[in-house]
Amino acid sequence: EVQLVESGGGLVQPGGSLRLSCAASGFTFSSYEMNWVRQAPGKGLEWVSYISSSGSTIYYADSVKGRFTISRDNAKNSLYLQMNSLRAEDTAVYYCARGIMITFGGYFDYWGQGTLVTVSS
Amino acid sequence: EIVMTQSPATLSVSPGERATLSCRASQSVSSNLAWYQQKPGQAPRLLIYGASTRATGIPARFSGSGSGTEFTLTISSLQSEDFAVYYCQQYNNWQTFGQGTKVEIK
Repeated sequence: EVQLVESGGGLVQPGGSLRLSCAASGFTFSSYEMNWVRQAPGKGLEWVSYISSSGSTIYYADSVKGRFTISRDNAKNSLYLQMNSLRAEDTAVYYCARGIMITFGGYFDYWGQGTLVTVSS
Repeated sequence: EIVMTQSPATLSVSPGERATLSCRASQSVSSNLAWYQQKPGQAPRLLIYGASTRATGIPARFSGSGSGTEFTLTISSLQSEDFAVYYCQQYNNWQTFGQGTKVEIK
């Protein structure tokens, strides 16, 4: 059974940093592209970042470019999101999602349960 | 950026009835369209990809259609567990989501 379990969320002050983790199991992690998708409270879904199976190709949404860094450790079956210079508008539930990428985009076939990040003073 | 617009925002349906949800893209996305279901406090679940292919384990009462800029998700006979928010997502050029349609009990 595919499982994705996020951790690392919490309350942080504006300008602060946080590192999210996603532990994967039930599939060959190193063979799949991975993504982070977020959802602000009561709002819709927003794709945040993508990383290829090897980690060699990375993309970010414009809203987080230059502040967030995605990475992965295939030996540990883990995905990460380092978030710096956090803003109030980054407040959201952050989901780790396995991606099936087609040409210039992809859909997400498995999702974690999410971890809440709250940016507030 | 491709903008996805879903309608209606809320759909009130009685159990056993058919529900039809619409999704429109601001430019053609071919058949690169997915649908997700999200219940309160839960992660989204993939229902449909490729505009019309059901994901693993999704009941046959869910069907998707359309191509280009106009898409439809149909739930043929609503069950109690189907009341939720539904999102469409294009992946023809990066990935963007619609704002969601809430299907509620009438």
